[in-house]
Amino acid sequence: NAGVTQTPKFRVLKTGQSMTLLCAQDMNHEYMYWYRQDPGMGLRLIHYSVGEGTTAKGEVPDGYNVSRLKKQNFLLGLESAAPSQTSVYFCASSYRRGPSTDTQYFGPGTRLTVL
Amino acid sequence: AQKVTQAQTEISVVEKEDVTLDCVYETRDTTYYLFWYKQPPSGELVFLIRRNSFDEQNEISGRYSWNFQKSTSSFNFTITASQVVDSAVYFCALSEANFGNEKLTFGTGTRLTIIP
Repeated sequence: NAGVTQTPKFRVLKTGQSMTLLCAQDMNHEYMYWYRQDPGMGLRLIHYSVGEGTTAKGEVPDGYNVSRLKKQNFLLGLESAAPSQTSVYFCASSYRRGPSTDTQYFGPGTRLTVL
Repeated sequence: AQKVTQAQTEISVVEKEDVTLDCVYETRDTTYYLFWYKQPPSGELVFLIRRNSFDEQNEISGRYSWNFQKSTSSFNFTITASQVVDSAVYFCALSEANFGNEKLTFGTGTRLTIIP
């Protein structure tokens, strides 16, 4: 049981480039989440998904898109990267909906630098 | 709006000392959930505890204990007889109990360093 995995672990982009971060979970969780973590701040929710084929905006969605074509995968895309998107990105998943009903389990994070 | 404050940015203690990490929260809901997560130097987030607002009993798990006090809106975390492996950033988080509410509000974290 690998839990929640993220690909890649590190990435450096130039301003304007695009990329996709992949999150995969093997726990048959229904719900998945993308967060970003910035220095001196806690994690903030970017987008989330309550099931295959669904996505919704979180607290800081601008500049990101997501897709959940398969239950086990949740992709986070940056169409035109900006330096403000330099951050550590965490994916999480949970069996039931929302942190009030279930615990979220986190992946190892992806450190993204945009030059 | 919900808010979590971890006023201690960094704490250093000598190994085997006890240490308490403070967490103060704000919410308008009467039903909510509180969490602690550990982020070791390797970077992943490790779930430690989840507590609902109706359960004010203190919890103990090995060297870890949590003190939940609604009267002061605090959910403090104590490590007894600290060890080097406890060195990490610790996050307190809050979720309001609205069905479908996906918002988990994190504090800014406390970096704990255990000195051998």
